[in-house]
Amino acid sequence: GAVVSQHPSWVICKSGTSVKIECRSLDFQATTMFWYRQFPKQSLMLMATSNEGSKATYEQGVEKDKFLINHASLTLSTLTVTSAHPEDSSFYICSGLRTVNTEAFFGQGTRLTVV
Amino acid sequence: AQSVTQLDSHVSVSEGTPVLLRCNYSSSYSPSLFWYVQHPNKGLQLLLKYTSAATLVKGINGFEAEFKKSETSFHLTKPSAHMSDAAEYFCVVSDQSYNKLIFGAGTRLAVHP
Repeated sequence: GAVVSQHPSWVICKSGTSVKIECRSLDFQATTMFWYRQFPKQSLMLMATSNEGSKATYEQGVEKDKFLINHASLTLSTLTVTSAHPEDSSFYICSGLRTVNTEAFFGQGTRLTVV
Repeated sequence: AQSVTQLDSHVSVSEGTPVLLRCNYSSSYSPSLFWYVQHPNKGLQLLLKYTSAATLVKGINGFEAEFKKSETSFHLTKPSAHMSDAAEYFCVVSDQSYNKLIFGAGTRLAVHP
């Protein structure tokens, strides 16, 4: 299968600061990337869908000004959590879609802790 | 609208005994269905997928699942559990373009000696 890499795998930051998480498709071009959030012992909730070169589509209830998504190239999407608060602490996972009608490949996730 | 219901939040089995993780789906059209596994603090690994071909789907690590349209089910099974199978399992449904994946709540599988 194809490889999606997230960086960092874990991060601790202070309240009020911003954190950037990178999601890279290492051996394929991802036309679409997805960002998910997972609370402890819960399922994955889709936050947003991004297509290379266009604005991300956010799911209902997700603040687009707080969770900035950039998909500037076919191999890189970034999620920036702005002015982070403790309630933003979570496990964030990205996935990349090679083309329509193909499988989505998931990154290993990033654990964000805001103190 | 599509949805997925995983009927058990926790399943506990003895090593060497069969595994059954239950999943029911709802979809207004022919769905694509997946099972993913997640080990602690790790990403997701695809076990198997159903995309309107054979109704019995074989996946990795000895897992398989059967698509039953009449029962709207896609249960995951394995004949003999290993300790390394202990993890969280997610049943997932998507439309044909894979553009949006809808995750079930997950089932935590525990395997004891």
